Amino acid sequence: QQQVKQSPQSLIVQKGGISIINCAYENTAFDYFPWYQQFPGKGPALLIAIRPDVSEKKEGRFTISFNKSAKQFSLHIMDSQPGDSATYFCAARNQGGKLIFGQGTELSVKP
Amino acid sequence: DGGITQSPKYLFRKEGQNVTLSCEQNLNHDAMYWYRQDPGQGLRLIYYSQIVNDFQKGDIAEGYSVSREKKESFPLTVTSAQKNPTAFYLCASSTAGTATGELFFGEGSRLTVL
Repeated sequence: QQQVKQSPQSLIVQKGGISIINCAYENTAFDYFPWYQQFPGKGPALLIAIRPDVSEKKEGRFTISFNKSAKQFSLHIMDSQPGDSATYFCAARNQGGKLIFGQGTELSVKP
Repeated sequence: DGGITQSPKYLFRKEGQNVTLSCEQNLNHDAMYWYRQDPGQGLRLIYYSQIVNDFQKGDIAEGYSVSREKKESFPLTVTSAQKNPTAFYLCASSTAGTATGELFFGEGSRLTVL
């Protein structure tokens, strides 16, 4: 119930393509869904986040789509660039205020 | 610059030795956290502290210990009781009670047990 399942584990996309990373959860009490981006050798940093009362949030080339009934949410990176190559983590916040992280997706954008 | 400083960046340890990882923040955040990162397993919470002189176990606390004597500092000790300590360790902080739940991470410490 406290798990967040993320897929795929790794993703290779051509420059200019769309990268899509999916996450699923079971706990309907989760109330906040952030995505973190981590470059090699660095700590993760908040990229974009959404609340469950919103179905979509867009910030530049990054969009979160949220499907409350299916208990799924996804990150879409439009016009993917080599500089987007990083590991991406989805997360969900539980009633205690703790973030539960997905397993991570290693994205590689080929020139 | 405000941020979180972790040290050392790389650390090698022999089996049976304890090692302490440092985490210092100047963001004036009340809450601090330690996560462990392993390939394919995401970020797993080891310990967290919402206030000075108080801390709670996370999901994988066995073999680890922490202290929170100052608001700015939250050191993690990896003890010899930790069965598989080789990992990337991340310290984070947040404003306790924030509506956004944003965590600010350090750059991590990579521990290798020889």
